[in-house]
Amino acid sequence: DTGVSQDPRHKITKRGQNVTFRCDPISEHNRLYWYRQTLGQGPEFLTYFQNEAQLEKSRLLSDRFSAERPKGSFSTLEIQRTEQGDSAMYLCASSVDLAGEKLFFGSGTQLSVL
Amino acid sequence: TQLLEQSPQFLSIQEGENLTVYCNSSSVFSSLQWYRQEPGEGPVLLVTVVTGGEVKKLKRLTFQFGDARKDSSLHITAAQPGDTGLYLCAGGGGSYIPTFGRGTSLIVHP
Repeated sequence: DTGVSQDPRHKITKRGQNVTFRCDPISEHNRLYWYRQTLGQGPEFLTYFQNEAQLEKSRLLSDRFSAERPKGSFSTLEIQRTEQGDSAMYLCASSVDLAGEKLFFGSGTQLSVL
Repeated sequence: TQLLEQSPQFLSIQEGENLTVYCNSSSVFSSLQWYRQEPGEGPVLLVTVVTGGEVKKLKRLTFQFGDARKDSSLHITAAQPGDTGLYLCAGGGGSYIPTFGRGTSLIVHP
């Protein structure tokens, strides 16, 4: 399978704990995006990377969120001191075209904060 | 912020019916994408429209981009249960960061 891979698929955690998600993009894709989606909503942009550089972050991304993409390959998204409002599907997508508009998504990580 | 409004929000129809869903904005987009998302999965790209007035067909699905590149529509002919899902439109504009609408949730009953 050469699609976008996300791990884990599901994560249940207690409020206040830290969680980390991983995304492996399609290998030749230089752009990587993180989105968050809650029930009844479309995906909301969090941040994106071009190669290893994090070029933009949404205002949704509070100080408790951090994302990395070392060496421009896989990416991690960490949430510190989780809150119940962080419960959502976290989606990773990658793209190759210059405009970065055609996204290929992973299956997402469903986070539940108890 | 470029906002995309999708309508209707929900649609429940019988197999064999036709339907149209809409994606509207006050902003001009360089292109619009349509995705379909099934429960528990990520969105899957269906089509990209680039030119104002452009029409693209994907089997029973017809996509149209408005002349002013501010809106788009998706028409499904003879819907089937396999068409069930959340249909999302997304536009990139000049920021290259795709912005999504809230989606239209379609249920096709056998």
